[in-house]
Amino acid sequence: DAGVIQSPRHEVTEMGQEVTLRCKPISGHNSLFWYRQTMMRGLELLIYFNNNVPIDDSGMPEDRFSAKMPNASFSTLKIQPSEPRDSAVYFCASGGETQYFGPGTRLLVL
Amino acid sequence: DQQVKQNSPSLSVQEGRISILNCDYTNSMFDYFLWYKKYPAEGPTFLISISSIKDKNEDGRFTVFLNKSAKHLSLHIVPSQPGDSAVYFCAASVYNQGGKLIFGQGTELSVKP
Repeated sequence: DAGVIQSPRHEVTEMGQEVTLRCKPISGHNSLFWYRQTMMRGLELLIYFNNNVPIDDSGMPEDRFSAKMPNASFSTLKIQPSEPRDSAVYFCASGGETQYFGPGTRLLVL
Repeated sequence: DQQVKQNSPSLSVQEGRISILNCDYTNSMFDYFLWYKKYPAEGPTFLISISSIKDKNEDGRFTVFLNKSAKHLSLHIVPSQPGDSAVYFCAASVYNQGGKLIFGQGTELSVKP
C-alpha cells in the first residue's frame, strides 16, 4: 500500500488566495483526520471524518477553513481566503484508534 | 489547557544507552496511548501503543510504560541508535470515541555515536 498520499507537498501563495489541500487515505480505512502543526500550537486536530461523514470539526479555526470528503478515497481541506497566520504544515491521517499519517503539505502564505 | 504534556523539549543520549521519553496527561478519561516518531519533512510514524488495561507494552527495542495513578507514560528505547534521532510525540485518546488523538508538544531525541 502506498500509504496516505497528500498533495501538494509544498504550497506558497499570497494572502487572500484560495488554497486547497488534498488527501487520499489508505484503502479500507474508515476514518480520516486533518491536523495542523505549528511551532506555537504543536500538532492539533482540525477535523475528522468517519465513513465520509464529518464527526468533529471543533478544531477548525474559523469559517475560512472547510473540509470535504466526497468519497472514501479523497478529502480536501480548503482555506479561503488564506492569511499569513495559516502558514503551517498540514497533515492528513487515516485509520482508527491508530492513525497513519501522510507526509504533509507545507503551506506558506505571504 | 494542554491535556497531554511532554515537558522535555529535547534529550541527548549516547549510542547504545537507554533513552527515556516522558509524557504526562491530565484527562482521566484517556484510556489509549500512542507514541509517534517524526523525522524532518515527513509525517509522524506510529511506533507503539498501550491500552489502559496494561502497564507495559514491548516491541523490540521499544517499551512503553503506563502509570495510571500518576497519569504518566514513558517510552524506553534500548539500546539507542543514531537512526532513532527524531522528534517523538505521545498522544492520547478515549478508546472507541472515533480515534480523536490529543498530542503532546514532542521531544527531540538526539542519539550521538
